[in-house]
Amino acid sequence: GAVVSQHPSWVICKSGTSVKIECRSLDFQATTMFWYRQFPKQSLMLMATSNEGSKATYEQGVEKDKFLINHASLTLSTLTVTSAHPEDSSFYICSATGPPGTKNIQYFGAGTRLSVL
Amino acid sequence: DAKTTQPTSMDCAEGRAANLPCNHSTISGNEYVYWYRQIHSQGPQYIIHGLKNNETNEMASLIITEDRKSSTLILPHATLRDTAVYYCIGGYQKVTFGIGTKLQVIP
Repeated sequence: GAVVSQHPSWVICKSGTSVKIECRSLDFQATTMFWYRQFPKQSLMLMATSNEGSKATYEQGVEKDKFLINHASLTLSTLTVTSAHPEDSSFYICSATGPPGTKNIQYFGAGTRLSVL
Repeated sequence: DAKTTQPTSMDCAEGRAANLPCNHSTISGNEYVYWYRQIHSQGPQYIIHGLKNNETNEMASLIITEDRKSSTLILPHATLRDTAVYYCIGGYQKVTFGIGTKLQVIP
């Protein structure tokens, strides 16, 4: 149980285009979902926290207009990188908490590798 | 969230126990200690968590000191597939990842 699916796993796009990444909790309702970004040889950096039906809370330094997060249901959150540029190339990872009794354990997706040309 | 300190890297012989330490001296009374690991180019994987008592599951054991200022993750019989970066997290809601410990299991 507690499976989080992230799609796509790899995406290549041209500079200036927008890319949408989906994060789904397959067998539980996710009360909270998190979005992280990871550059090579670095740790995960939290970008934003989202709760179903409310606006996401962004970490300091993360542009909310560039990284649009929608958490429309208890099983789906999306991250849209708008007008992507090469410096946005990174490994994006989502996670979710929510299964009853799991004490806020985060269950992670497999990640999406974004390459902006 | 509590600040955690871990060694940057460790080696362990295959089949031996891997003991990964973590210092979380600023942890508060209601904050759990969580351990995750990240195998190269994958999303992190939950391993174990605890509050005060020692915990064991099918993956590992977690030993928490009585003052809760530090803990040790124990992989009882390390395999090559346990090579990963291990993260110790102190917190309740938001998880902040540090650098973690890069564990290399050696044949």
